[in-house]
Amino acid sequence: ETGVTQSPTHLIKTRGQQVTLRCSSQSGHNTVSWYQQALGQGPQFIFQYYREEENGRGNFPPRFSGLQFPNYSSELNVNALELDDSALYLCASSLGGASGGRNNEQFFGPGTRLTVL
Amino acid sequence: DAKTTQPNSMESNEEEPVHLPCNHSTISGTDYIHWYRQLPSQGPEYVIHGLTSNVNNRMASLAIAEDRKSSTLILHRATLRDAAVYYCILRDGLTGGGNKLTFGTGTQLKVEL
Repeated sequence: ETGVTQSPTHLIKTRGQQVTLRCSSQSGHNTVSWYQQALGQGPQFIFQYYREEENGRGNFPPRFSGLQFPNYSSELNVNALELDDSALYLCASSLGGASGGRNNEQFFGPGTRLTVL
Repeated sequence: DAKTTQPNSMESNEEEPVHLPCNHSTISGTDYIHWYRQLPSQGPEYVIHGLTSNVNNRMASLAIAEDRKSSTLILHRATLRDAAVYYCILRDGLTGGGNKLTFGTGTQLKVEL
């Protein structure tokens, strides 16, 4: 059983550019969530996807968008990058459905470190 | 989301027990208490969760106060590999809160030889 993987591990972009981050869920998991973790802070929920549809969103602007594919892999897209978007981006997969399941364990990937210059 | 309060940092010696406290005075009756930890350069990982009764698993124990307004994560014998940020999180037991985990800043545990 493979765990959650993310690519790339590190990325440097300039302000105004667009970026796509990728996540491969743990085998059998049908729900994926994305988090942003600024330096010294806890992760902040961006959104989750279930059955290829966004199903819950945190306090992030529309320029943060995502996709979930039939094989449950996922992408996070960020348009018009800003300096404050520099952070570790984490994805987490779980098995639970739209409501997330009552207490399903979430499995996190190692993250993608994004630096915006 | 109900809020949790944790100390910013704690220190322990290797092979000694560690008690990590968490206050959650506004917890609702259906909130479960979850703990995750984040080792350096890794994503968070699940540790344990409970509702009212104390819980044990291979990683740790969770002691929940009778009024549920506080809880304590117990590592019975800390090792250097337990050095991490520990997060106490409340999740709505009715819906699971979706998959949203609301992280605070957690407790940075330092383990020394």
